[in-house]
Amino acid sequence: AQSVTQLDSHVSVSEGTPVLLRCNYSSSYSPSLFWYVQHPNKGLQLLLKYTSAATLVKGINGFEAEFKKSETSFHLTKPSAHMSDAAEYFCVVSDRGYNFNKFYFGSGTKLNVKP
Amino acid sequence: DVKVTQSSRYLVKRTGEKVFLECVQDMDHENMFWYRQDPGLGLRLIYFSYDVKMKEKGDIPEGYSVSREKKERFSLILESASTNQTSMYLCASRPSGRGQEQFFGPGTRLTVL
Repeated sequence: AQSVTQLDSHVSVSEGTPVLLRCNYSSSYSPSLFWYVQHPNKGLQLLLKYTSAATLVKGINGFEAEFKKSETSFHLTKPSAHMSDAAEYFCVVSDRGYNFNKFYFGSGTKLNVKP
Repeated sequence: DVKVTQSSRYLVKRTGEKVFLECVQDMDHENMFWYRQDPGLGLRLIYFSYDVKMKEKGDIPEGYSVSREKKERFSLILESASTNQTSMYLCASRPSGRGQEQFFGPGTRLTVL
């Protein structure tokens, strides 16, 4: 069965410092992995996705994530935080087998960016 | 750009009322989804549809039903609203094929009094 664990419910960084949001997954099949961002009272926006090509994935707004199969991790990073990055972030895994319409969401990590 | 729209951003209803939440997508996607989002619980799938008139239960279908009469429109129905259905409701669509992401609407915040 698939599952996603976001290891931190809240992360606080200062503007201009690196961001690390951690995600571990379990999957019976070779998974597709996604990171979404949600700003207050908005829908979810795709940041980046991994679907079996390069293990280092670059997304929008300077974010990137590395797929590490041996560690079953897909951590999200950004070299330098901006105030506009303050939001909630969701790690998502989907099955690339039969149930590819089933998406499993982590419980979210709220990122706070201090001036 | 893919656009997913939801009929209301905010909705207030009374216990026992029948509630309709509408979702429309403009990119001819086969698959559409309804989630509810509650603090600390992430997103939970209520129902999804992979074709017109086709539907499958998600993880928490109790108290909800859905309708998909046209490809672009997916409706969520609360037959008799209860206070524990107060939540943020998110609609999403995606094209078929492995590895395709979901595209989300802006959400409807429903309060049941």
